[in-house]
Amino acid sequence: DVKVTQSSRYLVKRTGEKVFLECVQDMDHENMFWYRQDPGLGLRLIYFSYDVKMKEKGDIPEGYSVSREKKERFSLILESASTNQTSMYLCASSLLALSYNEQFFGPGTRLTVL
Amino acid sequence: AQTVTQSQPEMSVQEAETVTLSCTYDTSESDYYLFWYKQPPSRQMILVIRQEAYKQQNATENRFSVNFQKAAKSFSLKISDSQLGDAAMYFCAFSGAGSYQLTFGKGTKLSVIP
Repeated sequence: DVKVTQSSRYLVKRTGEKVFLECVQDMDHENMFWYRQDPGLGLRLIYFSYDVKMKEKGDIPEGYSVSREKKERFSLILESASTNQTSMYLCASSLLALSYNEQFFGPGTRLTVL
Repeated sequence: AQTVTQSQPEMSVQEAETVTLSCTYDTSESDYYLFWYKQPPSRQMILVIRQEAYKQQNATENRFSVNFQKAAKSFSLKISDSQLGDAAMYFCAFSGAGSYQLTFGKGTKLSVIP
């Protein structure tokens, strides 16, 4: 079974802190994604990566950056956390860069910025 | 840009009964894929069912089936013989052919009443 893990289930940070959210997948998937999930808004794509060191912006990249130095690991970085970044963050991966491919999700990180 | 609309924020169903969750989408593409994902409380999101737009036959996975109406741009999910484990948030999602991005609806929270 594909396993996607995220470094923390819950995280509390202060405004202005630099925050790292880590995601690891164990099935050699090419693609990895970071989403933000907010009540009443569904899931919105922040960034995705289709290869090591390759990345593309999603729908809401402002205030975020990403890093993919190894195929299995995809990090989301909040350079200076703000209260409006309080949210649930979901990581996902998929095998190939094909539109019908299933995405496999991690358990999520609930981030609170005070 | 594609949009996905789930008009029912919450629904409930009696155990063993049938329920239908609605989803409509808007796109100018002729080739695309549609998905239903399930997010149980405090658990990882998983794929329930997938439909290719070029296929006229509706997809079925055990108790889950879809009613795909391409002309109407409608993609509803029917859950038969509902079980307590079906209680979850359900998200409808769209992916255009040639794209590996998913566009999600806002979700429908399904409760199953014993």
